[in-house]
Amino acid sequence: NAGVTQTPKFRVLKTGQSMTLLCAQDMNHEYMYWYRQDPGMGLRLIHYSVGEGTTAKGEVPDGYNVSRLKKQNFLLGLESAAPSQTSVYFCASKARGQGTFQPQHFGDGTRLSIL
Amino acid sequence: EDQVTQSPEALRLQEGESSSLNCSYTVSGLRGLFWYRQDPGKGPEFLFTLYSAGEEKEKERLKATLTKKESFLHITAPKPEDSATYLCAVQGVNDYKLSFGAGTTVTVRA
Repeated sequence: NAGVTQTPKFRVLKTGQSMTLLCAQDMNHEYMYWYRQDPGMGLRLIHYSVGEGTTAKGEVPDGYNVSRLKKQNFLLGLESAAPSQTSVYFCASKARGQGTFQPQHFGDGTRLSIL
Repeated sequence: EDQVTQSPEALRLQEGESSSLNCSYTVSGLRGLFWYRQDPGKGPEFLFTLYSAGEEKEKERLKATLTKKESFLHITAPKPEDSATYLCAVQGVNDYKLSFGAGTTVTVRA
């Protein structure tokens, strides 16, 4: 039971470098999400996707891009990393509800430090 | 804009000492309120969904309740393994998105 898998688990970048975070889910979920979690703050939504080939901006999208080319994968890209992007990044997925609201299922996060 | 406030920020309990966590919310048309548990270094783990005022859900030593303005997570006779951060989130009219509170970190001492 893999659920939601995030890679890498840890990464240190220098300011200005780029990288891609990968999220993979094996539950055939339609919806996928990227959040960041900072001390003293709740999870904040960066981008989300309601289906393969579609993406939308969340609460804090600036400095990030995403792609959902396959249903099971959701990629988060940082084009030019900044120290303010030091955070823990979580991916989540959710099934489309059938009259009820399905919970989001989370991966274990990617801890990213920008020096 | 949907808002979620959790209190207290931190709670230290002795094993067996029952207590409650609060989640106050403002949302346009509540569709669901979710409780999650988060262990250090891990992602949030789903606990409960509550849909309407008056609803209650239980799981082992945890019981969640919902009113029109807030939700409570009651921890009865906690054990050290109940130590975690508990997150509350609400879903409003938008089916896709949750708004999260900052969480309450619970530490249970043996």
